[in-house]
Amino acid sequence: AQSVTQLDSHVSVSEGTPVLLRCNYSSSYSPSLFWYVQHPNKGLQLLLKYTSAATLVKGINGFEAEFKKSETSFHLTKPSAHMSDAAEYFCVVSDQGTGGFKTIFGAGTRLFVKA
Amino acid sequence: SAVISQKPSRDICQRGTSLTIQCQVDSQVTMMFWYRQQPGQSLTLIATANQGSEATYESGFVIDKFPISRPNLTFSTLTVSNMSPEDSSIYLCSVEGTYEQYFGPGTRLTVT
Repeated sequence: AQSVTQLDSHVSVSEGTPVLLRCNYSSSYSPSLFWYVQHPNKGLQLLLKYTSAATLVKGINGFEAEFKKSETSFHLTKPSAHMSDAAEYFCVVSDQGTGGFKTIFGAGTRLFVKA
Repeated sequence: SAVISQKPSRDICQRGTSLTIQCQVDSQVTMMFWYRQQPGQSLTLIATANQGSEATYESGFVIDKFPISRPNLTFSTLTVSNMSPEDSSIYLCSVEGTYEQYFGPGTRLTVT
């Protein structure tokens, strides 16, 4: 069965410092993993995706994530936070199992960026 | 990629009434998904809609409350029936791409 756990409900960083948003997953099949961002009153935007190619995935706006199968993790990082990064971030797992295509969203991590 | 539009973008409705949300995709897709995002919460899958068959509902969601139509490969509707304030949420339509899902802009529903 699939599951996604975002380990922090909220993260607060200072502008210019690194960002780390943690995500662990479980999947019975070869999953695809995604990070989406949702700014207040805006729609979902895909940041990056892992689909069994390179384990280090680079996304938009300087974000990247590393797929670590041994740790079942897909943490999102950015070297230097910007005020515009303040938003809700969702880790998502998708796979094609016996029950069909399934996508599960994590609970979300709210990122706060302090000036 | 797929471009998805939803109507209405937002609505304020009285309890006990029903609202039908439309989802239009710019390409033909087999599977369409409806999600709910309650205030301050993550997305929860309501149902999966395949063209020409009954929608498949997730645990906690029933057809009488959330009837879905899927008349063709580019369109679907979700109806929120007999609404209560607890139904106040953002409802999102989504389709499956090759490696990712695409999401519509959402319909923000407020029930008073």
